[in-house]
Amino acid sequence: EAQVTQNPRYLITVTGKKLTVTCSQNMNHEYMSWYRQDPGLGLRQIYYSMNVEVTDKGDVPEGYKVSRKEKRNFPLILESPSPNQTSLYFCASKSMGYSNQPQHFGDGTRLSIL
Amino acid sequence: AQSVAQPEDQVNVAEGNPLTVKCTYSVSGNPYLFWYVQYPNRGLQFLLKYITGDNLVKGSYGFEAEFNKSQTSFHLKKPSALVSDSALYFCSEGGNAGNMLTFGGGTRLMVKP
Repeated sequence: EAQVTQNPRYLITVTGKKLTVTCSQNMNHEYMSWYRQDPGLGLRQIYYSMNVEVTDKGDVPEGYKVSRKEKRNFPLILESPSPNQTSLYFCASKSMGYSNQPQHFGDGTRLSIL
Repeated sequence: AQSVAQPEDQVNVAEGNPLTVKCTYSVSGNPYLFWYVQYPNRGLQFLLKYITGDNLVKGSYGFEAEFNKSQTSFHLKKPSALVSDSALYFCSEGGNAGNMLTFGGGTRLMVKP
């Protein structure tokens, strides 16, 4: 089954404790992206990657890092999490083969930073 | 920079009635427009996308969207709403390359029996 898998689905942690949210897709997609969803703000793009070793900032990259060492994986790293990063996070992927392709989303990771 | 607006936080409609969820956009050049639906505790699911030249686009689950260039709108429609259509709906614009997606704030659709 074609899917985007995020782990963990839920995490409660404390300020300053480094954490990583993993994202993996099995569709051989070139493009992957991270979003955060906050009430009333919709989804905002954090980082995206158009291929291995190629990453770019989205609208809200501050406080986040990403890496793309393999095509299937695109982890999101919070080096020193803060309470304002409490949010619902989504990873997504899409094919770059044709223009205007929709994105496939994971089921989300709910992070609470205390 | 591109932007997307969904002017209604919530839309209420009775089952069997037609529904419209509104979206307006601002972008230079040709728009790359999408509608997604989100059910509780799930990620977004693709419903439909704008195809250049088609003013009425058909998508999944009986949904369609009407593109209006002069009003810069891409409203989501369905002729007869179902209770199971109740969910959060997002309009998005993909920019010139479709890589930096910008989302509207979302509209919660409530369909009552």
